[in-house]
Amino acid sequence: DGGITQSPKYLFRKEGQNVTLSCEQNLNHDAMYWYRQDPGQGLRLIYYSQIVNDFQKGDIAEGYSVSREKKESFPLTVTSAQKNPTAFYLCASSNKQSASPLHFGNGTRLTVT
Amino acid sequence: GQNIDQPTEMTATEGAIVQINCTYQTSGFNGLFWYQQHAGEAPTFLSYNVLDGLEEKGRFSSFLSRSKGYSYLLLKELQMKDSASYLCAFDQTGANNLFFGTGTRLTVIP
Repeated sequence: DGGITQSPKYLFRKEGQNVTLSCEQNLNHDAMYWYRQDPGQGLRLIYYSQIVNDFQKGDIAEGYSVSREKKESFPLTVTSAQKNPTAFYLCASSNKQSASPLHFGNGTRLTVT
Repeated sequence: GQNIDQPTEMTATEGAIVQINCTYQTSGFNGLFWYQQHAGEAPTFLSYNVLDGLEEKGRFSSFLSRSKGYSYLLLKELQMKDSASYLCAFDQTGANNLFFGTGTRLTVIP
């Protein structure tokens, strides 16, 4: 079955450490996205990529980095520069056409202490 | 600017009907999405409205009024499994992502 896989589901890190969240899709979608979800707030866009080897900052990119070396993969690194990294992170993909719905992974809950 | 308003929480009884409202402000509006998200899980696509009017999909229907910047999701014959958050989101001309509301957490009680 096609879909998006995020791993791990839960991740714990000490403050000051960088951490990379994995996102893989086998839907053959060109576009991939990273969102952050906090209680009481809507999904906020961190980074997105519409094509391999290209990506753009979203609304809250500071303290995060991404790469898009393969169409299937869009890993997100949460760096020590991110002031409040504890959150639920969602990866999504779409085929980039207008009205194309986003397909989401099951998310990674990151806790930094 | 861009804005979406949804009620934070709603409670309804099993078997009943519930309407979840969403109002939005933006320029270059394309259409409006509704997603369902169970706690700790991925949002799943429910509907997309571009034209004014009501679109029905089984127990779920979604309505859009472009002139009023208003949409609602109607859930009929509520089941316990419908307890979830419902996210309203719009896409814009020339934009590469969706703008999400904070979501409405629906609790279905027996």
